[in-house]
Amino acid sequence: DVKVTQSSRYLVKRTGEKVFLECVQDMDHENMFWYRQDPGLGLRLIYFSYDVKMKEKGDIPEGYSVSREKKERFSLILESASTNQTSMYLCASTLRPPWQGYEQFFGPGTRLTVL
Amino acid sequence: SQQGEEDPQALSIQEGENATMNCSYKTSINNLQWYRQNSGRGLVHLILIRSNEREKHSGRLRVTLDTSKKSSSLLITASRAADTASYFCASFSQGGSEKLVFGKGTKLTVNP
Repeated sequence: DVKVTQSSRYLVKRTGEKVFLECVQDMDHENMFWYRQDPGLGLRLIYFSYDVKMKEKGDIPEGYSVSREKKERFSLILESASTNQTSMYLCASTLRPPWQGYEQFFGPGTRLTVL
Repeated sequence: SQQGEEDPQALSIQEGENATMNCSYKTSINNLQWYRQNSGRGLVHLILIRSNEREKHSGRLRVTLDTSKKSSSLLITASRAADTASYFCASFSQGGSEKLVFGKGTKLTVNP
């Protein structure tokens, strides 16, 4: 079974802190994604990566950056956390790009609260 | 803007009844997927239907796709309390952005 793990289930940080959210998948997937999920807004794509060292902005990249030094690991970085970044963060991976019609495997999510 | 929009936003039924959720999208799609999310957890893939398919089954799930109406429906037959979850459609548009776009979801409650 594909496993996507996220470093924390719950995280509480203070405004202005630099926050690292880590995601690791164990099935050699090329493609990885970071979403945030907010009530009434559904899932919104923050960043994605189709290869190591490669990253692309999603719909809401402002205030975030990512790092993909190794194929299995995709990190989301909040450069200076703000209260409006309080959200559920979901990482996903897929074997092939979305246009080839492959399912995405999601991690359990990290619920981040910024005080 | 979101490509897929689910309808209804919330649905409450009794165990044993069927549940139908609908998804509409705006542009031509390559494929459409349905996911389930249990409360506070990650999403789990349920079923994928390609643009050249009209219907697909998986266990108690039946998905239809009407490309002329730009809509899809997910039917869960003989529902169980364990089906209580939020259900999302996600579509990949042809010639559009290179990503899946998720709708806002339908929250299904199955009462025992």
